[in-house]
Amino acid sequence: DSGVTQTPKHLITATGQRVTLRCSPRSGDLSVYWYQQSLDQGLQFLIQYYNGEERAKGNILERFSAQQFPDLHSELNLSSLELGDSALYFCASSPMRGGLSGNTIYFGEGSWLTVV
Amino acid sequence: AQSVTQPDIHITVSEGASLELRCNYSYGATPYLFWYVQSPGQGLQLLLKYFSGDTLVQGIKGFEAEFKRSQSSFNLRKPSVHWSDAAEYFCAVVSGNTPLVFGKGTRLSVIA
Repeated sequence: DSGVTQTPKHLITATGQRVTLRCSPRSGDLSVYWYQQSLDQGLQFLIQYYNGEERAKGNILERFSAQQFPDLHSELNLSSLELGDSALYFCASSPMRGGLSGNTIYFGEGSWLTVV
Repeated sequence: AQSVTQPDIHITVSEGASLELRCNYSYGATPYLFWYVQSPGQGLQLLLKYFSGDTLVQGIKGFEAEFKRSQSSFNLRKPSVHWSDAAEYFCAVVSGNTPLVFGKGTRLSVIA
């Protein structure tokens, strides 16, 4: 158990709909990361928040957005869903901002999203 | 451009045989290196990491990896593979304040 909690574990929804994925980081971790894992793209970094502020942005679509709340949990919002958005979405957390020595990143078990 | 390459998409080994999974990176600054494992239908579990110091690092489940700066490699090894090691293995690199970047992964199959 990494200590990173993601809900829901599985989600099936229709095209055009909107979903919210939730992540609780490890106790004390200030950074939260979102990754998308699909068969064709592999593990792609989407976005990072550090202590409530957006820190880094990767290949995140405009239809997707995220935020980190004062209690440090994070939500990833996916809207106008398309079939190609079907993927495993991972949340990860770490104590610090980025690639600093000792800054190990721990992953949750992921949220499986199926768009039909 | 910064990148992580895992040259082998799929490897099959016999149970009890040794294993080496390759990882090469291309980064300008000093990288911090990780290996993660993903069992079918599961999340990513950290096997080991290298930040500095001894270039041979030990991880969980009997895995080790060696950082070779001259070859820009961080290969994962295990002397004797067990059937439960069958999974997908990902090498990942972070440098400076960049996010963690993953290789495409190597799928390991173990046969009796």
